Amino acid sequence: DAGVTQSPTHLIKTRGQQVTLRCSPKSGHDTVSWYQQALGQGPQFIFQYYEEEERQRGNFPDRFSGHQFPNYSSELNVNALLLGDSALYLCASSLSGTPDTQYFGPGTRLTVL
Amino acid sequence: AQSVAQPEDQVNVAEGNPLTVKCTYSVSGNPYLFWYVQYPNRGLQFLLKYITGDNLVKGSYGFEAEFNKSQTSFHLKKPSALVSDSALYFCAVRSYSSASKIIFGSGTRLSIRP
Repeated sequence: DAGVTQSPTHLIKTRGQQVTLRCSPKSGHDTVSWYQQALGQGPQFIFQYYEEEERQRGNFPDRFSGHQFPNYSSELNVNALLLGDSALYLCASSLSGTPDTQYFGPGTRLTVL
Repeated sequence: AQSVAQPEDQVNVAEGNPLTVKCTYSVSGNPYLFWYVQYPNRGLQFLLKYITGDNLVKGSYGFEAEFNKSQTSFHLKKPSALVSDSALYFCAVRSYSSASKIIFGSGTRLSIRP
């Protein structure tokens, strides 16, 4: 049983560009959450998707958007990249009935130059 | 607003000794509390959670945590540390009314020396 997978592993972009990160949840999970983990800090909640809709959002600007597909996989899009967007982006999946048991993927390391 | 504080950036313990990683929280209403561990270049792994019930919660890899409502603390403990326990540990909290939004602390690096 594959756990949570994320792609790509690493990504380098320049300021002003746009980026798309992808996440496949653990088999059977229907809920996907995205987190940003800056160097030396704890993960910060970006948003959560369930039934293809954004269910809750953290304190992130509209440049951060997402999508969930019918197969429960998800994308995180970031527009107009800033240097401060450089971070490890983590995806976590869970079952809607057990939201407190989240399984995290290995993350995508985004570097903005 | 919800918040979590991990007052120690690093904790150093000799192998075989007991370890404690501290966490205090602030949340409206009853807290849901969690501990996660992160190994280098890996995602977070769930260790344990407290929702209700017994104040002493047992989790993975021999870890346990004690919930103290009066001190708003949820310290992570292990009776006998292993070198393989060396990693970054995060405490997290959410409120009952916010099922999605989990707030993480800044992390504590645990270093176990042989």
